[in-house]
Amino acid sequence: AQKITQTQPGMFVQEKEAVTLDCTYDTSDPSYGLFWYKQPSSGEMIFLIYQGSYDQQNATEGRYSLNFQKARKSANLVISASQLGDSAMYFCAMREDVTQGGSEKLVFGKGMKLTVNP
Amino acid sequence: DAGVIQSPRHEVTEMGQEVTLRCKPISGHDYLFWYRQTMMRGLELLIYFNNNVPIDDSGMPEDRFSAKMPNASFSTLKIQPSEPRDSAVYFCASSLGSGGRNQPQHFGDGTRLSIL
Repeated sequence: AQKITQTQPGMFVQEKEAVTLDCTYDTSDPSYGLFWYKQPSSGEMIFLIYQGSYDQQNATEGRYSLNFQKARKSANLVISASQLGDSAMYFCAMREDVTQGGSEKLVFGKGMKLTVNP
Repeated sequence: DAGVIQSPRHEVTEMGQEVTLRCKPISGHDYLFWYRQTMMRGLELLIYFNNNVPIDDSGMPEDRFSAKMPNASFSTLKIQPSEPRDSAVYFCASSLGSGGRNQPQHFGDGTRLSIL
């Protein structure tokens, strides 16, 4: 069963606008972590933001925030004030809690391509 | 601080040749991961190590692939013999053990492998 689903193959946004990238996940574990990575055209994988399943607040890192809806099993990435340099592939990933029988493995979604237009 | 260092960045070789990819993890990280990325299959975990010991190699495609971690600062992924379908970008990543906390995996820049 697919654990991470990113249904948007691609999105376009105007520079300076906000954009939401969707991610839904599937797990029966009560404790897990969700990650977002960015992969620009140069190819490297860049860690952006983390959300723990028991975190009380939605995670924020600069212009990135995570809209975490646990009951709906969604962890959407919100990028505020888009910049041209935000154009990239974005991957959502999940790690089940090692203390609850999970492992250090990250399971990645298929990614989605964001294009920021000037 | 130095990140994860992979070499070579690009490798082009002929089918049947042995290919060795190298990785130096971030100092102090006790986990090391090898991934393969293709358009068809996305990002797949091949194998990961904890304290130089292989923990899960269920993602290694077949016996032609092998990985070693002789010490905490070096790992290799070897393909012998290589085949055109092995063409992909291979990433190495390292992390601290999470223990349920925020410990992201940090990726190297990848090795783009082309088997002719």
